[in-house]
Parts: sequence; structure tokens; C-alpha cells
Amino acid sequence: DAKTTQPPSMDCAEGRAANLPCNHSTISGNEYVYWYRQIHSQGPQYIIHGLKNNETNEMASLIITEDRKSSTLILPHATLRDTAVYYCIVRPKAAGNKLTFGGGTRVLVKP
Amino acid sequence: DAGVIQSPRHEVTEMGQEVTLRCKPISGHNSLFWYRQTMMRGLELLIYFNNNVPIDDSGMPEDRFSAKMPNASFSTLKIQPSEPRDSAVYFCASSPDSGGADTQYFGPGTRLTVL
Repeated sequence: DAKTTQPPSMDCAEGRAANLPCNHSTISGNEYVYWYRQIHSQGPQYIIHGLKNNETNEMASLIITEDRKSSTLILPHATLRDTAVYYCIVRPKAAGNKLTFGGGTRVLVKP
Repeated sequence: DAGVIQSPRHEVTEMGQEVTLRCKPISGHNSLFWYRQTMMRGLELLIYFNNNVPIDDSGMPEDRFSAKMPNASFSTLKIQPSEPRDSAVYFCASSPDSGGADTQYFGPGTRLTVL
């Protein structure tokens, strides 16, 4: 499985953009990059995913470098409700839908 | 859509007792997953089913754990006998089986405490 590396924690000011980095230098050509988050006492929530192109949805944007060895999740206007643990996951194609969660980044949005 | 439904939300039991956790996946989803979350080990995949068939149970810790999916709308995770180290939050998730990069939708979890 391709492993990911994320900073353990980061703070962000409310209303500002939050940029969450993730390194996945051993990613294979057909592996997707997924982002999930887990708000305290809730189940993980899907945010976005991508293969090699940048992606945007109503929650966030995903920027994947051209060599695909790293990516950045962007929350354009962070709110207090965005305080959560954010997981960057690389999905192994051969194992179907299996997701392996690492330690994630604990994001604290401050007023 | 009600999302993934899990019951009970909280369970407190004594060591040695049998515990059964239940999950109803999102209608139409063909894959179902059981995860366990603890402070020490984080989120771990225990087992996943595709079209009601167990595909990968390599994460099931030992024979005390068993999971079944008798039909497309119901799954159980059973622990017998339970031990204090089984205390954790157990999540069920489901995903559509449309091939490619399917997302998983998680339930609210069952918080299990074994005394």
C-alpha cells in the first residue's frame, strides 16, 4: 500500500483558507488520493478524491502535483465547524474499495 | 436517505458477555465495511463485504470476532466472549459498487465499553 505522511496538527483562522498537505511519494499510477475528515464523536466523512487532475467540489479543492507524489487539500473559507481530523488516503486499486487510515492532521479552526 | 444506520449507539457490557453490533447500509450500496477505532490504534478495517460475501477479513483480530451479512440491507458484528481490550468505537460504512474510486459513507458508530 502507498503510505501517506501528514503533519499531526495545524491551526487555522476562521474565514481564512486552510491548506492541508499530504505526501504520498510511493503512489502507484492507478491509485487515487482520497480525503476524509472526522469531526469529534462522528464517523468519518468523505470530502473529495482525485487521480491526477485538480478537483473541486462544494466542500474543498484538491491539488495534486504533476508527479503525484504530494497533494494539498484546500478548505477555502474555514469555519469553526471544520475543526476535525483530516485523513489523506491512497486507495490501493487491487484491494477494491479498501481504505487504510493513518494518523491524519488534527485541524483546529480558531475564531 | 437516512444514511448508514448503526445500533446500538452505546453498549456497556461485562467481560465474557456476547456483544452484537448491527448495521443497515445505504440502500443500493453493494459494499459494506466494519471498522474499529481506538486511541492507540486509530481507525482499523476489520472486514468488508461485497454483494453480501466477505472479501477481506484479515483485520478481524481473532476468533472471538465474527461478522455476517445475511442480506443486502443488514450486517452484524459479534464479539463472543468480549474482553476489556475490545472497548472501542465500531463504525460501519457502505459504498456503491460502481467500480473505480467509490467513496465510503460511514455510520455514527457504536461506542462499546467492556468492563
